[in-house]
Amino acid sequence: DVKVTQSSRYLVKRTGEKVFLECVQDMDHENMFWYRQDPGLGLRLIYFSYDVKMKEKGDIPEGYSVSREKKERFSLILESASTNQTSMYLCASTTLKGFNYEQYFGPGTRLTVT
Amino acid sequence: GQSLEQPSEVTAVEGAIVQINCTYQTSGFYGLSWYQQHDGGAPTFLSYNALDGLEETGRFSSFLSRSDSYGYLLLQELQMKDSASYFCAVSGRDGGSQGNLIFGKGTKLSVKP
Repeated sequence: DVKVTQSSRYLVKRTGEKVFLECVQDMDHENMFWYRQDPGLGLRLIYFSYDVKMKEKGDIPEGYSVSREKKERFSLILESASTNQTSMYLCASTTLKGFNYEQYFGPGTRLTVT
Repeated sequence: GQSLEQPSEVTAVEGAIVQINCTYQTSGFYGLSWYQQHDGGAPTFLSYNALDGLEETGRFSSFLSRSDSYGYLLLQELQMKDSASYFCAVSGRDGGSQGNLIFGKGTKLSVKP
């Protein structure tokens, strides 16, 4: 079974702090994604990566950056956390070798910025 | 622009059938997916339609009409454990692939006894 893990389930940070969210997948997937999920807004794509050291902006990249130094690991960085970044953050991965682009999600990190 | 529309909430009783509709408008399209998410959990894949027609997987079925930019998820013999949020998603972003999905805002299904 594909496994996607995220470094923390819950995180509380202060405004202005630098925050690192880590995601690791164990199925050699090429593509990895970071979403944030807010009530009534669904899943919104922050960044994605289709290869090591490659990244593309999603719909809401402002205030975030990412890093993919190894194929299995994709990190989301909040350079200076703000209260409006309080949210659920979901990491996902997928392979292009299949047909249906099924995305496998991690358990999520609920981040609170105070 | 790219958008997906689905009802925000649906309520049904145990044992009933419920249909969750999804209409989409995208510049690139490869297929329509459905995901289930229980409260506090991660989204999990339910189904995928690349071609027109009905795909059946147990109690769940998914339908796609590419000409109408429309699909639906059909849940039969509803059980209490089906209470969850259901998201439709289209693959294909701006004509490209890369496995990207565009998600709808989700439909919260409540199953009553």
